[in-house]
Order: sequence, then C-alpha cells, then structure tokens
Amino acid sequence: EAGVVQSPRYKIIEKKQPVAFWCNPISGHNTLYWYRQNLGQGPELLIRYENEEAVDDSQLPKDRFSAERLKGVDSTLKIQPAELGDSAVYLCASSLGRGGSYNEQFFGPGTRLTVL
Amino acid sequence: AQSVTQLDSQVPVFEEAPVELRCNYSSSVSVYLFWYVQYPNQGLQLLLKYLSGSTLVKGINGFEAEFNKSQTSFHLRKPSVHISDTAEYFCAVSRFASYGKLTFGQGTILTVHP
Repeated sequence: EAGVVQSPRYKIIEKKQPVAFWCNPISGHNTLYWYRQNLGQGPELLIRYENEEAVDDSQLPKDRFSAERLKGVDSTLKIQPAELGDSAVYLCASSLGRGGSYNEQFFGPGTRLTVL
Repeated sequence: AQSVTQLDSQVPVFEEAPVELRCNYSSSVSVYLFWYVQYPNQGLQLLLKYLSGSTLVKGINGFEAEFNKSQTSFHLRKPSVHISDTAEYFCAVSRFASYGKLTFGQGTILTVHP
C-alpha cells in the first residue's frame, strides 16, 4: 500500500513569489493534516480536513496561506507571497477519520521550502 | 492547552549502550502519548503509543516507554542501541476526543557512535 505522497520534495524560491505544495493521502483516509516544521522544532499543525471540510485552521496564517482539498482526496497548500520566515519543512499526514477515538496519523516525507 | 517538553536536545551514546530520551507533558485533561522517529529527509514514523491500560508500552525497533501520570512523563528507552538508531525523536500528545490533533515537543537528536 502506498504511503502519503508529497511533491515537490524540495523547493527554492525568492521572497514574494508564490509556491504550492501537493499531498496525496493514503487511499481511504478521510482526515488530512498539514504541518509546518521549522528547523530544530517539532511539527506544528496548520490545518486539518475532514473529507473536503477544513475543520481546524486556527493556526493557518490566512493573510498569505491557503489550502484546499477538492473532492476530499488530494490537497494543495499555497503561500502567496512567500516570506523569508516561511522557510521550513511542510508535512502532510492522513488518518482514517474522526470519532473521538485514536486514529494513527501517517506522515509523508515533506516538502523542504527555502525562501531566499 | 497542552504542551510537551523534551529535556535533552541532543543525546550522544555509544553503540550497544542503553539510552533514555526524556519527555514531560502538561495538560489539564487526559491525553494520549506518542513517540515518533524522523530519519534525515524523511517524514515521521510512529515508534509507539500510550492510549490506555499498561503503563509500559513496547514499540518497534526494540524501543519502549513508560507512562508516569504522577510525574507527567513518558520517557523513551532502549537497552542497547545500534548505529541505525541515529535519528531525531519527537514526543507528542493528543487530547482525548481531539480527533488526532498532535502537539509535539522540540525533538531530541540521538547520535549513536561506533
């Protein structure tokens, strides 16, 4: 079974440019998460989707960040315009779904963004 | 809100020696507890988890952790490490019924020397 797929793996852009990251979760997983991991830190949740609905986006900087999950499968995270402080690894994870009980999250390899 | 503190940012150890990576958490409600491992340029992989029941949990690659509610700790241990255990380790918590929202610690880099 394929794991969580992310692309690109690496991206280098100049500040003020737009950038987009793509995530394909594990087949059948209803819940999708985007995390940001700054250098030397643990991941921090940006947004969580239940199917196509964003149910927790309280940590997403909405002035420059946007996300979508059309048809409740693939997801795209966009930054426009990028700032120097956005340099980080962006991780996507997926899990089976909600229900109050534990659902293991499976992580993709991440996209390493460098903003120059 | 909950928080996680990993007490050591780096832990060097020789091959075949025992190791303990320390994790303390703070939460006003009951939580699930996790340890993840991250190898260079890879995503996070679940090592082990505590959901309920026995406070000593065993995971993959010979790792184990003990949940101590009174000390709000969840330390990770391995009796004999290998070179291949060199990686970064993250402790994380999730509140009951939070639908899997994880709060991570800062990470501990374990370096195993020959």
